[in-house]
Amino acid sequence: NAGVMQNPRHLVRRRGQEARLRCSPMKGHSHVYWYRQLPEEGLKFMVYLQKENIIDESGMPKERFSAEFPKEGPSILRIQQVVRGDSAAYFCASSPPGRSEAFFGQGTRLTVV
Amino acid sequence: DAKTTQPTSMDCAEGRAANLPCNHSTISGNEYVYWYRQIHSQGPQYIIHGLKNNETNEMASLIITEDRKSSTLILPHATLRDTAVYYCIVRLRNAGNNRKLIWGLGTSLAVNP
Repeated sequence: NAGVMQNPRHLVRRRGQEARLRCSPMKGHSHVYWYRQLPEEGLKFMVYLQKENIIDESGMPKERFSAEFPKEGPSILRIQQVVRGDSAAYFCASSPPGRSEAFFGQGTRLTVV
Repeated sequence: DAKTTQPTSMDCAEGRAANLPCNHSTISGNEYVYWYRQIHSQGPQYIIHGLKNNETNEMASLIITEDRKSSTLILPHATLRDTAVYYCIVRLRNAGNNRKLIWGLGTSLAVNP
């Protein structure tokens, strides 16, 4: 059973471009979470999704950021019109139904130049 | 804000037990204590969790005080690969829609040869 897969591992975008981060949860996991980690800081929760539904987006910036977890395919975190402050590591985690442990991917490191 | 307090950093000699403390004096009766770690530049890794009884798995042991206001994560024979930031997190186990993890700054453990 492969772990949580995130791609790309590294992403460079110019200011104003769009960034798309992908996350494939572990097999059988129906809960997906996105976290952001700024340099030298702890992780900050962004959004929690189940298949086709956003359950908790309390940590998501109101503008430019969106997330989805379609019925088929990976979860996508989309950042429109990126700015330098969006540079961070973005981690995806998943957990199976009925279990509370979250399993993390290796992250996508976004650099905005 | 995180509901836990941990020392900023600790050192441990290779082969010795590493004992990482965590204070969670405001924990409620139905909240669990979770431990994760993050090795440099990698995604967080789940270690263990517990409610009130001591827990042990292949990675570590978790000792929770009787009043549940503090706990200790024990790595019985630390190796250099255990050098990481260790996070203690309090959360409802079956949290319904509130499944996000609130991360503090953790304890940076350095295992020395």
